[in-house]
Amino acid sequence: GQQLNQSPQSMFIQEGEDVSMNCTSSSIFNTWLWYKQDPGEGPVLLIALYKAGELTSNGRLTAQFGITRKDSFLNISASIPSDVGIYFCAGQNSGNTPLVFGKGTRLSVIA
Amino acid sequence: KAGVTQTPRYLIKTRGQQVTLSCSPISGHRSVSWYQQTPGQGLQFLFEYFSETQRNKGNFPGRFSGRQFSNSRSEMNVSTLELGDSALYLCASSLGQFNSYEQYFGPGTRLTVT
Repeated sequence: GQQLNQSPQSMFIQEGEDVSMNCTSSSIFNTWLWYKQDPGEGPVLLIALYKAGELTSNGRLTAQFGITRKDSFLNISASIPSDVGIYFCAGQNSGNTPLVFGKGTRLSVIA
Repeated sequence: KAGVTQTPRYLIKTRGQQVTLSCSPISGHRSVSWYQQTPGQGLQFLFEYFSETQRNKGNFPGRFSGRQFSNSRSEMNVSTLELGDSALYLCASSLGQFNSYEQYFGPGTRLTVT
């Protein structure tokens, strides 16, 4: 089945630093979603991307839909302690097909 | 709008027993998807229901089943529990149509099988 490779697996950064993570696929997706999960909770939708090349921001978060449709990137600017958590990318082929998730990037922020 | 709710939040069962988990989607959402999350395998898709019909199914054994009611609430059932079924079970709802497929997750049910 389809797989998403998400990297890095984990990152330790200083508060105030910018963060970049990415997701790649061996096949094309028509939708990319980014989620954040806190311990003991369900993933929370951060950003949804629907068009190749699309760049979308949500506060300090910016995500891009790769032009090849096989990758997506998430950037967090000026990180703060509450950014700690696991970030997941998810791809979807068409509207009524399941989401395929990456394994997640665990972000730790050192104050 | 109220978010996705799942009950119970925590459950402890014994091998061989069966369990039923419940999910209430966001009002107006007709699609409910279920996922199993474990540290080793990550988020794995179980099945999706739309308008009371199973629309997609993941690669899980027949011990895992689900259903959806006319009010879009959904239940999933796991029979003959195994130790490996211990996981966080998440449901997610979406409109499921009109090109709006963003999925919103509930807090999950943490199932422990002993």
